[in-house]
Amino acid sequence: AQSVTQLGSHVSVSEGALVLLRCNYSSSVPPYLFWYVQYPNQGLQLLLKYTSAATLVKGINGFEAEFKKSETSFHLTKPSAHMSDAAEYFCAVSMEYGNKLVFGAGTILRVKS
Amino acid sequence: ETGVTQSPTHLIKTRGQQVTLRCSSQSGHNTVSWYQQALGQGPQFIFQYYREEENGRGNFPPRFSGLQFPNYSSELNVNALELDDSALYLCASSPRETSYGYTFGSGTRLTVV
Repeated sequence: AQSVTQLGSHVSVSEGALVLLRCNYSSSVPPYLFWYVQYPNQGLQLLLKYTSAATLVKGINGFEAEFKKSETSFHLTKPSAHMSDAAEYFCAVSMEYGNKLVFGAGTILRVKS
Repeated sequence: ETGVTQSPTHLIKTRGQQVTLRCSSQSGHNTVSWYQQALGQGPQFIFQYYREEENGRGNFPPRFSGLQFPNYSSELNVNALELDDSALYLCASSPRETSYGYTFGSGTRLTVV
């Protein structure tokens, strides 16, 4: 069965600092991988997705993630944090488009001024 | 184009009652999935509908049921509500034939008292 582990339920960074949110997946075959962001009292917004086309994926709002098969990881990064990045971030895996998403428990990002 | 819309946004029900949540999928999307997000957790897959038929189900009891209509909108029904059913219920739609991924609605916050 697929599973997703997000290391760190809370991450705190200073404004302008590097953002690194960690995600590891377990799957017997390369899956499709996603990062979603959720602002308070809102639904999920897709940041980026990996679909086997390129290992380094660029998303919205300056975020990017790199698929590393050897490490079964798909960590999310942003070079410089902005106050508006404060939200909860979810990593998710799916074996094929149209199939269910399996989500991690989420990481709450706090950005300090 | 319109996104995924869910109604109502908030709902309070009494234990033992029944509830129906509604979802209008994004234009051109023929697949609808439902997820339950308990407080402080990642979303959990309930089930998915494709062309009006259930096409995958998560680990939820039969009192969770659904429908998809010819216009691809969907309903989630929950019978015999329990306190643990209190959660944010998210609807997601996708164009199954393409690689665009899932678009989520803002969710319905259900509170069972």
